[in-house]
Amino acid sequence: QKEVEQNSGPLSVPEGAIASLNCTYSDRGSQSFFWYRQYSGKSPELIMFIYSNGDKEDGRFTAQLNKASQYVSLLIRDSQPSDSATYLCASVWGNTPLVFGKGTRLSVIA
Amino acid sequence: ETGVTQSPTHLIKTRGQQVTLRCSSQSGHNTVSWYQQALGQGPQFIFQYYREEENGRGNFPPRFSGLQFPNYSSELNVNALELDDSALYLCASSLAGQEETQYFGPGTRLLVL
Repeated sequence: QKEVEQNSGPLSVPEGAIASLNCTYSDRGSQSFFWYRQYSGKSPELIMFIYSNGDKEDGRFTAQLNKASQYVSLLIRDSQPSDSATYLCASVWGNTPLVFGKGTRLSVIA
Repeated sequence: ETGVTQSPTHLIKTRGQQVTLRCSSQSGHNTVSWYQQALGQGPQFIFQYYREEENGRGNFPPRFSGLQFPNYSSELNVNALELDDSALYLCASSLAGQEETQYFGPGTRLLVL
């Protein structure tokens, strides 16, 4: 049973701080990892994906992957109130469907 | 804007009824997946279609069925609705050759009374 675990939160950070969102996965065969942002009442929006160990940066977002520890994280620098949302982590192996965690709710306090 | 559209946006049905949800994706997005997202949960995979054939199925009963059409549109049909079917239903499509990267439509919120 492939599982992706996330702390449901809420994670509260002050505006301008770094938000750190974490995710662990059970299937060592998982190859690709995705972070989606979901505003309340809306559908998930793809933020980033990462395939290789290490860091991948895109603007204020950095995804980090450690396959040995089966751990994925998303850092959001200079957090803004507009970043307040639920962040979903998902893993996939080849053409298998995305396996999602339950999401972490982030609240950025102005 | 992902180019994936869904209809209707909201729907109310009663237990035992049948429902059809629709999705339309961009040209070249020949893989479509359907997910069910209950409140407070992550999306759960229902099934996937590739070139009009079912290409994988999650842990959902046969009363959940689907179709994909040549014009990159697809349908999710649910028979004999149950109260627990109340959820956000999401359609996601992906480009040929990049099937693991999926882009979601806005979803259809279904309420079963």
